[in-house]
Amino acid sequence: QKEVEQNSGPLSVPEGAIASLNCTYSDRVSQSFFWYRQYSGKSPELIMSIYSNGDKEDGRFTAQLNKASQYVSLLIRDSQPSDSATYLCAVRGFTNAGKSTFGDGTTLTVKP
Amino acid sequence: GAGVSQSPSNKVTEKGKDVELRCDPISGHTALYWYRQSLGQGLEFLIYFQGNSAPDKSGLPSDRFSAERTGGSVSTLTIQRTQQEDSAVYLCASSLGGGRGRADTQYFGPGTRLTVL
Repeated sequence: QKEVEQNSGPLSVPEGAIASLNCTYSDRVSQSFFWYRQYSGKSPELIMSIYSNGDKEDGRFTAQLNKASQYVSLLIRDSQPSDSATYLCAVRGFTNAGKSTFGDGTTLTVKP
Repeated sequence: GAGVSQSPSNKVTEKGKDVELRCDPISGHTALYWYRQSLGQGLEFLIYFQGNSAPDKSGLPSDRFSAERTGGSVSTLTIQRTQQEDSAVYLCASSLGGGRGRADTQYFGPGTRLTVL
């Protein structure tokens, strides 16, 4: 079992719809959770971080964390073609510093 | 300000040759990370430097891989006797590090695409 698992996709949604991306992790003591967006041929860029159970909203993006279920998700409202990218989930351990463990990413396509 | 820079952007080498990849972190960042990303895969952690502490080398896949960080700034990742399975994009990231705890954000460089023929 991988430490961080994501559905590889591809996930396809129409423009204006809500895109839902999911991630599960195996290390129960994980403390920090991140969503990165990676356009093809580019490096990852951080779009959301979440540390506490519940929802965290930033513009069209909402991250949801459920530590009991070891589950973190990213919702993208009013999806735009420019949101088409691979979304990487990353988890950082108890020390709150150092390496992050990444999932393999979910590829999202938003169709006009 | 300037972001993380890496050089070269592309490197093609022959099997068995040694290669050096360079990373210049953001000025003032004390933490530096190397990851590897194979085609269609996520990021694989290689090594982590934090200030003057001993690096976390737990992700290095073999003893052919080594990295150093001189003067707490520039880092070089060296791969000796390259193999075809080493072909990947090598990404460097830096962060403020230190006592920032969970809010410490990693910023990635553009990567070096390594192709071993």
